[in-house]
Amino acid sequence: ETGVTQTPRHLVMGMTNKKSLKCEQHLGHNAMYWYKQSAKKPLELMFVYNFKEQTENNSVPSRFSPECPNSSHLFLHLHTLQPEDSALYLCASSQDRGRQPQHFGDGTRLSIL
Amino acid sequence: KQEVTQIPAALSVPEGENLVLNCSFTDSAIYNLQWFRQDPGKGLTSLLLIQSSQREQTSGRLNASLDKSSGRSTLYIAASQPGDSATYLCAASTDSWGKLQFGAGTQVVVTP
Repeated sequence: ETGVTQTPRHLVMGMTNKKSLKCEQHLGHNAMYWYKQSAKKPLELMFVYNFKEQTENNSVPSRFSPECPNSSHLFLHLHTLQPEDSALYLCASSQDRGRQPQHFGDGTRLSIL
Repeated sequence: KQEVTQIPAALSVPEGENLVLNCSFTDSAIYNLQWFRQDPGKGLTSLLLIQSSQREQTSGRLNASLDKSSGRSTLYIAASQPGDSATYLCAASTDSWGKLQFGAGTQVVVTP
């Protein structure tokens, strides 16, 4: 148990569907992150939130829309995705942005048909 | 742009042998370097964090060294066990805000 919970663990969706990924942390942290992990490629940082404010958008396509209603919850809304978006999406949190280490959830395995 | 490389991509050793995992980075101006472990279907677990002012960190059978001038970090795992089988990733922190640049990882298999 890492203190960071992601749901669902697996998701299969068509390119025209709309779905959301959820992340919840029970560590009292103020910073939360979304990463994408594709097969055989390094983890790519997507978004960073610090005290509910987005502080980093790493040139992510607009078909990915993050939402951070409070410091404990982070969502990633998905719509009109492409097959190349199939990947493991990992959420992480840290005490504050810049404070290491980051604590990771187990991820959502996303498959786009 | 910081690039982080891990070689080899995969490694298989018999139980009891020492493991040596390599990580190289192109920009020596890092704030810290971390080593993570990832089990299949799981997230990342932080193993060791080395600040830029440090040369090494140790935790149990794990020892990580950092040489900023040569752009290298090495993770040593002593007396490997089958439970050490996993993918090991290194990540360099490239700014004071903690942005991490990851390597692609080394997949380790320890055979009984």
